[in-house]
Amino acid sequence: EAGVAQSPRYKIIEKRQSVAFWCNPISGHATLYWYQQILGQGPKLLIQFQNNGVVDDSQLPKDRFSAERLKGVDSTLKIQPAKLEDSAVYLCASSTDYRGELFFGEGSRLTVL
Amino acid sequence: DAKTTQPNSMESNEEEPVHLPCNHSTISGTDYIHWYRQLPSQGPEYVIHGLTSNVNNRMASLAIAEDRKSSTLILHRATLRDAAVYYCILRTYGGSQGNLIFGKGTKLSVKP
Repeated sequence: EAGVAQSPRYKIIEKRQSVAFWCNPISGHATLYWYQQILGQGPKLLIQFQNNGVVDDSQLPKDRFSAERLKGVDSTLKIQPAKLEDSAVYLCASSTDYRGELFFGEGSRLTVL
Repeated sequence: DAKTTQPNSMESNEEEPVHLPCNHSTISGTDYIHWYRQLPSQGPEYVIHGLTSNVNNRMASLAIAEDRKSSTLILHRATLRDAAVYYCILRTYGGSQGNLIFGKGTKLSVKP
């Protein structure tokens, strides 16, 4: 079974530029999560989708971050404009439903210069 | 949010058992105890979870204290591949939410 796919794996941008990350969850998984992991810390939830609806986006910095999950499958996380403190690994995870075990992708590492 | 306390780091020798402790004194009756681990340069992966009773699976065992205020993840024979950060997480399901709230975890080093 294919796992959670994320791209790009690495991205380097300058501050104030924009960036987008893509996630393809495991087939049939209704719940999709985006986490931000800053070096040396545990992952922090940014947003949770149930199918194509947002369940929790309380920790998403909405002035610069946006996410969508069209058709309840793939998802995109966008940052515009990026700040230095956005340098982190962005992890996508999916689960069968909101109670299921989370399966994580390998993450997208963002460096903002 | 329910919180857990774990040692920052632990060391083990290869092929010896490892006991990773976790304190969660404010656990509620509906909180499940989950363990995930994160190998270097990878996303976290599920290890095991339980509610009240001890649990075993192919990866590890989970021992839960009778008062549920602490738990221990047991790796029966550590291998070099078990070197990772181990996260103990309390997971509550409210509404449609069930996200994992990660702490800093315990970094496990395994010596050959």
